[in-house]
Amino acid sequence: DTGVSQDPRHKITKRGQNVTFRCDPISEHNRLYWYRQTLGQGPEFLTYFQNEAQLEKSRLLSDRFSAERPKGSFSTLEIQRTEQGDSAMYLCASSLRGKPGQRSRDTEAFFGQGTRLTVV
Amino acid sequence: AQTVTQSQPEMSVQEAETVTLSCTYDTSESNYYLFWYKQPPSRQMILVIRQEAYKQQNATENRFSVNFQKAAKSFSLKISDSQLGDTAMYFCAFIKIAGGTSYGKLTFGQGTILTVHP
Repeated sequence: DTGVSQDPRHKITKRGQNVTFRCDPISEHNRLYWYRQTLGQGPEFLTYFQNEAQLEKSRLLSDRFSAERPKGSFSTLEIQRTEQGDSAMYLCASSLRGKPGQRSRDTEAFFGQGTRLTVV
Repeated sequence: AQTVTQSQPEMSVQEAETVTLSCTYDTSESNYYLFWYKQPPSRQMILVIRQEAYKQQNATENRFSVNFQKAAKSFSLKISDSQLGDTAMYFCAFIKIAGGTSYGKLTFGQGTILTVHP
């Protein structure tokens, strides 16, 4: 399968515990994104990487959240001291940043199936 | 900052009929792309159709077409000959473009749940 894969698919954790999610993007994609989606709502942007550089972080990403993309391949999203309000679907997406002149090449994002986090 | 608004929380349509989903957006940017994404129940989000703001012609992809009104900041999705497999949550999304490349993040609307009835 050459799509975006996320692990685990489901995670139930107790409040106060730390959790870590993994995302493996499509192999040739240099951009990787994390979004959070609560029930019945649209995804909200959290952060994105171009290669290993984290280029933007949303204000939604409190200091309990950290994301990494070592070596520009897979990425991890860690939530420390989880709270019930962290319960959501965490989506990962990847895309290819096109070369100059290729206008539409770099905008399509491919999404993974998400990790559903439940904090009890 | 950009905002995307989908004012129809739920829509339903009979199989083989046509349905239109609405989306409005607000931005001060002149260069951007708009998208419709489909999220079937318990499955991953997939791209349905894309519209580049600099193009006046409305995008079409088989049974899916858009009505892009740039001045009105409106971007509706028309699904013709609806099929049971079209049942899903549909999201309208916006991305800013500068220097020929995107700024990375998508801004999504709240979504519209579409149910296709047999």
